Amino acid sequence: AQSVAQPEDQVNVAEGNPLTVKCTYSVSGNPYLFWYVQYPNRGLQFLLKYITGDNLVKGSYGFEAEFNKSQTSFHLKKPSALVSDSALYFCAVRAPRTNDYKLSFGAGTTVTVRA
Amino acid sequence: SAVISQKPSRDICQRGTSLTIQCQVDSQVTMMFWYRQQPGQSLTLIATANQGSEATYESGFVIDKFPISRPNLTFSTLTVSNMSPEDSSIYLCSVEGQSSTDTQYFGPGTRLTVL
Repeated sequence: AQSVAQPEDQVNVAEGNPLTVKCTYSVSGNPYLFWYVQYPNRGLQFLLKYITGDNLVKGSYGFEAEFNKSQTSFHLKKPSALVSDSALYFCAVRAPRTNDYKLSFGAGTTVTVRA
Repeated sequence: SAVISQKPSRDICQRGTSLTIQCQVDSQVTMMFWYRQQPGQSLTLIATANQGSEATYESGFVIDKFPISRPNLTFSTLTVSNMSPEDSSIYLCSVEGQSSTDTQYFGPGTRLTVL
């Protein structure tokens, strides 16, 4: 079974400070990992993914994430947060491509960036 | 990425009634998925819909309650039947294309309130 843990329900940072949203995963085999963001009253927007290759993945809106196999983590980071980054962030995992395309999502982390 | 639209964007329904949610994609896709996001919760996969075959439902979801149609490669519907207040949720469709990008893209969601 695959699963994702986002240990922090909320993350609060000041604008201009670094932002980190934590994610750990459990899956058989090499994982496919994803980050999505959900703004109020909106659907999920894809930010970035790790499939293979460089452990540091760069995505939309200045976000990046680092895959750490030994720690089974895929933390989302942004060097300088903006007020507009305030949203709900979801980490998701799926097993390597098989007939099972199921994505498993974490519980979500609410990010609040104060001006 | 695919452009996905959903209708309706929101609705308020009486218990015991049914609502059909439409999902339209601007390109042909093999895999379409339906998720439920209960208030304050993460996303839970309801079913996977492939064109030309019966939908595959996840544990806890049944066809009688959530019938799904997939008449072609750009369209799907999810019906929430015999609704109760517990069905109040955001329902999202997502797609994964044929190019093996392994990324699911989500529609804007349908916010359902059952009174």
